[in-house]
Amino acid sequence: DTGVSQNPRHKITKRGQNVTFRCDPISEHNRLYWYRQTLGQGPEFLTYFQNEAQLEKSRLLSDRFSAERPKGSFSTLEIQRTEQGDSAMYLCASSSLPRGQANYNEQFFGPGTRLTVL
Amino acid sequence: AQSVTQLGSHVSVSEGALVLLRCNYSSSVPPYLFWYVQYPNQGLQLLLKYTSAATLVKGINGFEAEFKKSETSFHLTKPSAHMSDAAEYFCAVSPFSGGYNKLIFGAGTRLAVHP
Repeated sequence: DTGVSQNPRHKITKRGQNVTFRCDPISEHNRLYWYRQTLGQGPEFLTYFQNEAQLEKSRLLSDRFSAERPKGSFSTLEIQRTEQGDSAMYLCASSSLPRGQANYNEQFFGPGTRLTVL
Repeated sequence: AQSVTQLGSHVSVSEGALVLLRCNYSSSVPPYLFWYVQYPNQGLQLLLKYTSAATLVKGINGFEAEFKKSETSFHLTKPSAHMSDAAEYFCAVSPFSGGYNKLIFGAGTRLAVHP
Protein backbone atom coordinates (compact mmCIF):
# COMPACT_ATOMS: atom_id res chain seq x y z
CA ASP A 1 0.00 0.00 0.00
CA THR A 2 1.56 3.29 -1.09
CA GLY A 3 -0.97 5.66 0.46
CA VAL A 4 -0.68 7.83 3.55
CA SER A 5 -0.68 5.75 6.70
CA GLN A 6 -1.43 6.82 10.26
CA ASN A 7 -0.88 5.04 13.54
CA PRO A 8 -2.55 4.27 15.78
CA ARG A 9 -6.00 4.29 14.19
CA HIS A 10 -7.66 4.67 17.57
CA LYS A 11 -6.38 5.98 20.89
CA ILE A 12 -8.25 6.17 24.17
CA THR A 13 -6.52 8.02 26.96
CA LYS A 14 -7.29 9.61 30.28
CA ARG A 15 -7.31 13.35 30.74
CA GLY A 16 -3.87 14.66 31.56
CA GLN A 17 -1.95 11.95 29.72
CA ASN A 18 0.35 12.59 26.77
CA VAL A 19 -0.29 11.01 23.39
CA THR A 20 1.70 10.81 20.17
CA PHE A 21 0.44 10.05 16.69
CA ARG A 22 2.48 9.11 13.65
CA CYS A 23 1.93 9.87 9.98
CA ASP A 24 3.84 8.24 7.13
CA PRO A 25 3.28 10.24 3.94
CA ILE A 26 3.46 8.96 0.43
CA SER A 27 7.07 8.39 -0.45
CA GLU A 28 8.81 11.47 -1.88
CA HIS A 29 5.96 13.84 -0.99
CA ASN A 30 7.61 17.01 0.23
CA ARG A 31 4.52 18.57 1.80
CA LEU A 32 2.76 17.24 4.87
CA TYR A 33 -0.33 18.64 6.57
CA TRP A 34 -2.12 17.90 9.83
CA TYR A 35 -5.85 18.57 10.25
CA ARG A 36 -8.26 18.00 13.12
CA GLN A 37 -11.87 16.95 12.61
CA THR A 38 -14.39 17.08 15.42
CA LEU A 39 -17.78 15.39 15.30
CA GLY A 40 -20.12 17.02 12.82
CA GLN A 41 -17.50 19.42 11.50
CA GLY A 42 -15.16 19.59 8.57
CA PRO A 43 -11.42 19.16 9.03
CA GLU A 44 -9.54 22.18 10.37
CA PHE A 45 -5.95 22.97 9.41
CA LEU A 46 -3.40 22.54 12.20
CA THR A 47 0.05 22.72 10.69
CA TYR A 48 2.13 22.32 7.53
CA PHE A 49 5.60 20.99 6.79
CA GLN A 50 7.68 21.33 3.69
CA ASN A 51 10.34 18.69 4.04
CA GLU A 52 11.51 19.01 7.66
CA ALA A 53 10.56 22.68 8.06
CA GLN A 54 7.34 23.53 9.88
CA LEU A 55 6.16 26.57 7.92
CA GLU A 56 2.78 27.32 9.45
CA LYS A 57 0.96 26.59 12.67
CA SER A 58 -2.71 27.33 13.20
CA ARG A 59 -3.93 29.21 16.26
CA LEU A 60 -5.73 25.93 17.05
CA LEU A 61 -2.36 24.44 17.88
CA SER A 62 -1.97 25.39 21.52
CA ASP A 63 1.27 25.11 23.49
CA ARG A 64 0.28 21.57 24.43
CA PHE A 65 0.58 20.48 20.82
CA SER A 66 3.85 19.88 19.03
CA ALA A 67 4.55 18.44 15.63
CA GLU A 68 7.80 17.31 14.09
CA ARG A 69 8.98 15.92 10.82
CA PRO A 70 12.57 14.80 11.30
CA LYS A 71 14.50 14.27 8.09
CA GLY A 72 11.45 15.26 6.09
CA SER A 73 9.94 11.80 6.14
CA PHE A 74 7.36 10.68 8.71
CA SER A 75 5.75 13.17 11.07
CA THR A 76 4.59 12.97 14.68
CA LEU A 77 1.95 15.00 16.46
CA GLU A 78 2.17 15.04 20.25
CA ILE A 79 -0.47 16.32 22.61
CA GLN A 80 0.62 16.90 26.19
CA ARG A 81 -1.74 16.96 29.17
CA THR A 82 -4.71 15.94 27.06
CA GLU A 83 -8.11 17.51 27.68
CA GLN A 84 -11.55 16.21 26.80
CA GLY A 85 -11.79 18.92 24.15
CA ASP A 86 -8.90 17.28 22.32
CA SER A 87 -11.14 14.35 21.41
CA ALA A 88 -11.27 14.36 17.61
CA MET A 89 -10.07 12.67 14.46
CA TYR A 90 -6.55 13.77 13.54
CA LEU A 91 -5.93 13.60 9.83
CA CYS A 92 -2.64 13.72 7.98
CA ALA A 93 -2.26 14.56 4.30
CA SER A 94 0.68 14.78 1.95
CA SER A 95 1.34 16.20 -1.48
CA SER A 96 4.20 16.68 -3.86
CA LEU A 97 5.51 20.03 -5.03
CA PRO A 98 3.76 21.37 -8.15
CA ARG A 99 5.71 21.15 -11.37
CA GLY A 100 5.93 23.64 -14.18
CA GLN A 101 3.18 26.24 -14.22
CA ALA A 102 0.86 24.25 -11.99
CA ASN A 103 0.50 25.72 -8.53
CA TYR A 104 -1.59 23.08 -6.87
CA ASN A 105 -1.03 19.41 -6.21
CA GLU A 106 -3.64 17.12 -4.72
CA GLN A 107 -3.44 16.36 -1.03
CA PHE A 108 -3.78 12.67 -0.25
CA PHE A 109 -5.31 11.94 3.12
CA GLY A 110 -4.60 9.15 5.53
CA PRO A 111 -7.37 7.27 7.39
CA GLY A 112 -6.88 9.36 10.51
CA THR A 113 -6.29 8.68 14.20
CA ARG A 114 -9.38 8.91 16.37
CA LEU A 115 -8.54 10.21 19.83
CA THR A 116 -10.91 9.82 22.75
CA VAL A 117 -10.00 11.57 26.00
CA LEU A 118 -11.91 10.27 29.00
CA ALA B 1 -10.28 35.46 5.09
CA GLN B 2 -11.59 32.63 2.99
CA SER B 3 -14.49 30.45 4.09
CA VAL B 4 -16.93 27.86 2.83
CA THR B 5 -20.60 27.38 3.65
CA GLN B 6 -22.37 24.15 2.88
CA LEU B 7 -26.14 24.48 2.91
CA GLY B 8 -27.83 21.47 4.47
CA SER B 9 -26.03 19.20 6.88
CA HIS B 10 -28.14 16.25 5.72
CA VAL B 11 -29.52 15.48 2.28
CA SER B 12 -31.63 12.43 1.48
CA VAL B 13 -32.42 11.24 -2.04
CA SER B 14 -33.88 8.18 -3.67
CA GLU B 15 -31.70 5.88 -5.68
CA GLY B 16 -31.66 7.15 -9.27
CA ALA B 17 -32.61 10.70 -8.30
CA LEU B 18 -30.55 13.84 -8.88
CA VAL B 19 -27.99 14.67 -6.23
CA LEU B 20 -27.39 18.36 -5.50
CA LEU B 21 -25.07 19.41 -2.68
CA ARG B 22 -24.65 23.13 -2.21
CA CYS B 23 -21.47 25.04 -1.49
CA ASN B 24 -20.87 28.78 -1.34
CA TYR B 25 -17.46 30.28 -0.80
CA SER B 26 -15.98 33.54 0.29
CA SER B 27 -12.66 34.59 -1.15
CA SER B 28 -10.94 37.87 -1.91
CA VAL B 29 -8.89 36.30 -4.69
CA PRO B 30 -9.74 33.72 -7.35
CA PRO B 31 -10.01 30.55 -5.32
CA TYR B 32 -9.14 26.95 -5.78
CA LEU B 33 -12.21 24.89 -4.88
CA PHE B 34 -12.58 21.21 -4.08
CA TRP B 35 -15.09 18.55 -3.20
CA TYR B 36 -13.98 15.64 -1.02
CA VAL B 37 -15.91 12.54 0.01
CA GLN B 38 -15.46 10.68 3.28
CA TYR B 39 -16.77 7.17 3.83
CA PRO B 40 -17.15 5.88 7.40
CA ASN B 41 -13.83 5.25 9.14
CA GLN B 42 -11.87 6.36 6.11
CA GLY B 43 -9.88 9.41 5.11
CA LEU B 44 -10.91 12.01 2.61
CA GLN B 45 -10.90 11.30 -1.11
CA LEU B 46 -10.78 14.03 -3.73
CA LEU B 47 -13.84 14.01 -5.99
CA LEU B 48 -12.98 16.99 -8.14
CA LYS B 49 -11.24 20.35 -8.14
CA TYR B 50 -11.51 23.76 -9.75
CA THR B 51 -8.23 25.58 -10.39
CA SER B 52 -9.30 28.41 -12.73
CA ALA B 53 -9.56 26.37 -15.90
CA ALA B 54 -12.98 25.18 -17.15
CA THR B 55 -15.87 26.29 -14.96
CA LEU B 56 -17.64 22.93 -15.30
CA VAL B 57 -15.51 20.34 -13.62
CA LYS B 58 -16.03 16.61 -13.94
CA GLY B 59 -14.86 14.30 -11.21
CA ILE B 60 -14.89 10.68 -10.27
CA ASN B 61 -17.94 8.48 -9.80
CA GLY B 62 -20.08 10.59 -12.14
CA PHE B 63 -19.97 13.76 -10.04
CA GLU B 64 -19.50 17.22 -11.46
CA ALA B 65 -19.50 20.78 -10.16
CA GLU B 66 -19.88 24.18 -11.73
CA PHE B 67 -17.94 27.24 -10.61
CA LYS B 68 -20.17 30.34 -10.71
CA LYS B 69 -18.25 33.44 -9.79
CA SER B 70 -21.32 35.70 -9.83
CA GLU B 71 -23.03 33.49 -7.27
CA THR B 72 -19.82 32.51 -5.40
CA SER B 73 -21.02 28.94 -5.65
CA PHE B 74 -19.52 25.55 -6.43
CA HIS B 75 -22.43 23.12 -6.15
CA LEU B 76 -21.88 19.39 -6.59
CA THR B 77 -24.25 17.35 -8.73
CA LYS B 78 -24.76 13.83 -9.96
CA PRO B 79 -27.61 12.97 -12.35
CA SER B 80 -28.49 9.63 -10.78
CA ALA B 81 -27.73 8.63 -7.20
CA HIS B 82 -26.42 5.20 -6.36
CA MET B 83 -26.56 3.50 -2.99
CA SER B 84 -22.77 3.58 -2.86
CA ASP B 85 -22.84 7.40 -2.93
CA ALA B 86 -24.01 7.49 0.68
CA ALA B 87 -21.20 9.28 2.52
CA GLU B 88 -20.19 12.67 3.88
CA TYR B 89 -19.19 15.33 1.39
CA PHE B 90 -16.98 18.30 2.10
CA CYS B 91 -16.47 21.42 0.05
CA ALA B 92 -13.12 23.15 0.54
CA VAL B 93 -11.33 26.29 -0.59
CA SER B 94 -7.61 26.86 -0.78
CA PRO B 95 -6.17 30.31 -0.20
CA PHE B 96 -2.89 29.36 -1.86
CA SER B 97 -0.73 31.55 0.29
CA GLY B 98 2.97 31.19 0.87
CA GLY B 99 3.35 28.83 -2.05
CA TYR B 100 1.35 25.99 -0.57
CA ASN B 101 -2.27 24.96 -0.32
CA LYS B 102 -3.82 24.43 3.06
CA LEU B 103 -7.49 23.56 2.75
CA ILE B 104 -10.37 25.32 4.49
CA PHE B 105 -13.35 22.98 4.72
CA GLY B 106 -17.05 23.46 5.11
CA ALA B 107 -18.95 21.63 7.84
CA GLY B 108 -19.96 18.84 5.49
CA THR B 109 -23.17 17.38 4.09
CA ARG B 110 -24.17 13.84 4.87
CA LEU B 111 -25.84 12.22 1.87
CA ALA B 112 -28.28 9.38 2.44
CA VAL B 113 -29.54 7.33 -0.51
CA HIS B 114 -32.62 5.21 0.00
CA PRO B 115 -34.07 2.55 -2.29
